[in-house]
This record gives sequence, structure tokens and C-alpha cells, in this order.
Amino acid sequence: GAVVSQHPSWVICKSGTSVKIECRSLDFQATTMFWYRQFPKQSLMLMATSNEGSKATYEQGVEKDKFLINHASLTLSTLTVTSAHPEDSSFYICSARPDRENSPLHFGNGTRLTVT
Amino acid sequence: LAKTTQPISMDSYEGQEVNITCSHNNIATNDYITWYQQFPSQGPRFIIQGYKTKVTNEVASLFIPADRKSSTLSLPRVSLSDTAVYYCLVGFHSGGGADGLTFGKGTHLIIQP
Repeated sequence: GAVVSQHPSWVICKSGTSVKIECRSLDFQATTMFWYRQFPKQSLMLMATSNEGSKATYEQGVEKDKFLINHASLTLSTLTVTSAHPEDSSFYICSARPDRENSPLHFGNGTRLTVT
Repeated sequence: LAKTTQPISMDSYEGQEVNITCSHNNIATNDYITWYQQFPSQGPRFIIQGYKTKVTNEVASLFIPADRKSSTLSLPRVSLSDTAVYYCLVGFHSGGGADGLTFGKGTHLIIQP
């Protein structure tokens, strides 16, 4: 149980275009989901917290107008990278925690974004 | 959120038991300790979670001393496929809300034949 599905697994886009990444909790509800970014040989960095039905909370230094997050249901959060640039190329990973006490975070398999 | 410190890397051999220790000196009363495994180009995979003493599941054991300022992940009889980065995370899990967990640098475990 506790499966998080992330789509697409990889995407290549041209500079200036926008890319949407989906994160779904398949067998549980998650009021809160999280988006991370990981550069090669580095640890995961928390970008933002996605709250169902309300605005996302962004970590310091993360541009909210560039990384648009929508959490329209208890099982789906989306991250849209707007006006992508080559420096946005990275590995994006979402996670979710079942809405019950002391459940651990479960992660998607990540999306490799390459901006050319 | 409690900061964690782990060894950057460890080496071992197939069939050995591997213990990875994590320090979290400022762990809070409500914090749980969770360990994840990550392979290249994949999301982290949950291994085990505990609050105190010892927890065991089908893949690992987690040892937590009484003061909870450290924890040790124990992997029995490792194989080559256990080569990965292991992260120790500490945080409070609330049923209603949640905090994004902060990842430390992790431990790169390399298993040799």
C-alpha cells in the first residue's frame, strides 16, 4: 500500500515553455503533498508544501510564480514549471503522507526534466 | 526540525551485516525517526520508522537508545543490490497536518562482492 505515482518520468522541453508534473496518491488520501528537487550527487531539497484546497507554501528561495503548484483533490497535486530555463533542469520528486497519525512520507519515482 | 548527521559513505561486502548510525541531538519529544533508501534516478523508498527502542521489519532493524539522540539502521546480510544512498530523517507526523522532511546528505553505502 501507500503508492505515490508521478508522471511523466522524464520530459525534455525547450527553453521558455512550461511543463506540468503530476503526483497522485493511488491508494490513500493526502491532505498535504510535498515537492522536492534533486541535483546530481546532491540530497533532496524541499521546494514547497502543497495543501489540498489552499495555496502552497514555498521554501525560501523558491519562486512561487515559476513553480506553480495546484492541489485540487486529496489524491492529486501538480507542479508546473513555467517559462523553463536550462538551469531548471533537475530531478523533481513528489511525496505524500497518508492522513493518519505518524504515517511516513511516501515518494514518487521522480521526473527528470531537461530544458534545452 | 531536528538536524541529522550521518557518515558520508560506507563500504561492506555481500553477506555482511551493515549498521548505519545517525545522530540527531536536538530531536523533539514528538519526533519520529524514519529511514529511506534511494537508488539513482529514483525516488526515496521507505525502509523503517521508529520512535524508541527497537523496530524490526522484513528488510531492516532500527535501534534507538533511550535518549533518542541517535539511531542505527541495521541491514542484515546485504547484497549488491543494497548499494544505494540511505537517509535518516527526523520529524513530527501529525494526522491533520504535516511537515516536509528535511533531508541531510545521506550515507552512500557501497556493497562489494
